[in-house]
Amino acid sequence: AQSVAQPEDQVNVAEGNPLTVKCTYSVSGNPYLFWYVQYPNRGLQFLLKYITGDNLVKGSYGFEAEFNKSQTSFHLKKPSALVSDSALYFCAVRDMKQGGTYKYIFGTGTRLKVLA
Amino acid sequence: ETGVTQTPRHLVMGMTNKKSLKCEQHLGHNAMYWYKQSAKKPLELMFVYSLEERVENNSVPSRFSPECPNSSHLFLHLHTLQPEDSALYLCASSQVTGTDTGELFFGEGSRLTVL
Repeated sequence: AQSVAQPEDQVNVAEGNPLTVKCTYSVSGNPYLFWYVQYPNRGLQFLLKYITGDNLVKGSYGFEAEFNKSQTSFHLKKPSALVSDSALYFCAVRDMKQGGTYKYIFGTGTRLKVLA
Repeated sequence: ETGVTQTPRHLVMGMTNKKSLKCEQHLGHNAMYWYKQSAKKPLELMFVYSLEERVENNSVPSRFSPECPNSSHLFLHLHTLQPEDSALYLCASSQVTGTDTGELFFGEGSRLTVL
């Protein structure tokens, strides 16, 4: 079965330092992988995705993610963290089409705290 | 209006009330989803509609009743809810045929409190 793991409940990083939020996945076939961000009492906002092509994908707000097939990982990165990046981050994978639609499997989320 | 719009943003209801959550997407998508997000729990998929047909119903209690009158609108009808149903309810949409960009687009959510 498809699954997504975010091993860290929380990541703390100092402002200006690089940040990494980890995600590993288990899928059959070629994965569609996504990162979303959620601010308090808001919906999930799409950050970036990997479908095919270059393993390093760039997204919104200076975030990027590296797809590593051998390690089945899709870690989210940013070279220099901002206090405003503090939020809840979700990794997700899209399952194969079943019954006319796709099922999206989300990780449990990682809370990022950027300290001034 | 652009994207996915959910109303109301906040709802407080008693256990005997009947209310509805509304979702509207302006993206031309043909699949819509209801998710429940509770504190300290993973995101739970509740219902999926694809091409206006319900294709997923994840063992959700019958006190939650979805309705999808067309590909742009999705409702979640609520009746005789329990306090543990208090959560953030998220609507999302995607394209499942034709030009499929892959990602889900979420609304801002409806924060439900059941007293």
